[in-house]
Amino acid sequence: TQLLEQSPQFLSIQEGENLTVYCNSSSVFSSLQWYRQEPGEGPVLLVTVVTGGEVKKLKRLTFQFGDARKDSSLHITAAQPGDTGLYLCAGAVSGSARQLTFGSGTQLTVLP
Amino acid sequence: SAVISQKPSRDICQRGTSLTIQCQVDSQVTMMFWYRQQPGQSLTLIATANQGSEATYESGFVIDKFPISRPNLTFSTLTVSNMSPEDSSIYLCSVGVGETQYFGPGTRLLVL
Repeated sequence: TQLLEQSPQFLSIQEGENLTVYCNSSSVFSSLQWYRQEPGEGPVLLVTVVTGGEVKKLKRLTFQFGDARKDSSLHITAAQPGDTGLYLCAGAVSGSARQLTFGSGTQLTVLP
Repeated sequence: SAVISQKPSRDICQRGTSLTIQCQVDSQVTMMFWYRQQPGQSLTLIATANQGSEATYESGFVIDKFPISRPNLTFSTLTVSNMSPEDSSIYLCSVGVGETQYFGPGTRLLVL
C-alpha cells in the first residue's frame, strides 16, 4: 500500500508570507497531482507533475517533483487570503487514475 | 477535464433511513469513483463504480451498506443505507481521466 504523508497538517500564516507544503512517500509514482479544496466544494486540480525533478509554476504557486518521483513540494509566495483551503497531493501508479493515492492533507489559513 | 454535478448538495437524515446520491458527468468516462471525507481531512475511497458490472469496494466498505449503480458512462448513484450518525460526512464522486481525477462538489450528509 502506497502512503503519502503531507506536512504540515495545519498552517496559519499572515497575508504576504511565504510557505511550503511537503508531500513524501517511500513509493515511486508515475505522476503526482496537487489539489485545492475550499469549504463546500470538491477538490480542484491545480497541477500534475510527471517527470522527476520537474518544476511547474502557476502564478504564485511553484510545484516540484522529486528526482526519484517519491516526493513533491508546493511553495506559495506572498500568500493571500484566497489561498486558504485544504491542499491535497495525490500520487498515481502505473499510469492509471484507478490507483490514485491521496495524501493526508494540509489545511492552510491565510489571515488578512 | 470533466464537469461533474452531484445531487443533493446536502441533506439531514434520520438514523435508520437511506439516502441515494446522484453523480452526473458531462461526458462519457470509464472510471468513476466514490469517496468519503470528514471536513478538513483527506479522502477515503469507498468504491470504484464499474459500468455494466458490480462496483469494486475498498476494504471496510460493503455493498449492503453502500450499494452503487452505474447504468451508463455518464451517471452513477451511491446509496448510504440504514444510516447512523457515524455516516455523517461529505460524499464525493470523481471521474478518472488519464492519471488525473476530477471531482464533483460533494454531498454533505448529517445523520441525526
